[in-house]
Amino acid sequence: GAGVSQSPSNKVTEKGKDVELRCDPISGHTALYWYRQSLGQGLEFLIYFQGNSAPDKSGLPSDRFSAERTGGSVSTLTIQRTQQEDSAVYLCASSLRKQGIYEQYFGPGTRLTVT
Amino acid sequence: GDSVTQMEGPVTLSEEAFLTINCTYTATGYPSLFWYVQYPGEGLQLLLKATKADDKGSNKGFEATYRKETTSFHLEKGSVQVSDSAVYFCALNSGGSNYKLTFGKGTLLTVNP
Repeated sequence: GAGVSQSPSNKVTEKGKDVELRCDPISGHTALYWYRQSLGQGLEFLIYFQGNSAPDKSGLPSDRFSAERTGGSVSTLTIQRTQQEDSAVYLCASSLRKQGIYEQYFGPGTRLTVT
Repeated sequence: GDSVTQMEGPVTLSEEAFLTINCTYTATGYPSLFWYVQYPGEGLQLLLKATKADDKGSNKGFEATYRKETTSFHLEKGSVQVSDSAVYFCALNSGGSNYKLTFGKGTLLTVNP
């Protein structure tokens, strides 16, 4: 079946602009995650959605970052007033509890470049 | 908090050589352990997993055994191929409230013919 999809695949923006990144999880997966992959910091957890529960935003680096998940499916990560240090690959993953663990499946990522 | 330490690369091997990538972890409770692989230009793919002590995860000729006494989950393959060239990430999930993955920094493997 279809995997996790993300759009756009690449985004170049000017410092100070807002950007929106989209994630379409695997159909039926109740959990959705955003991670950030950068050269200096490796792979970092950003935010977690599970069903209709309040999201876990503990990994968001600043209040310029926010995310929504509409209808328990598609998610949008928004970065306001982008800074150069926001340049990274933003990865989305979805999962379903399987044999007692949450096995996460990742999308191809959105490469964000802030100039 | 949770953390994963894996050997720094890059690792360069000749085809058919034996591969070991070391991974150790610190976590609360009893985490699940994973190896993910990222091939050039592609996204992260789950390579193998283990959910409890002494479990062995295996896939595509790769193996890793969950060693609770040494808090380790080393990745091994007996005979690497050029197509195994990729970045390998060790990760853990200790459950808790969000089931997030905590990753190591990744190890770049290059296999030469």
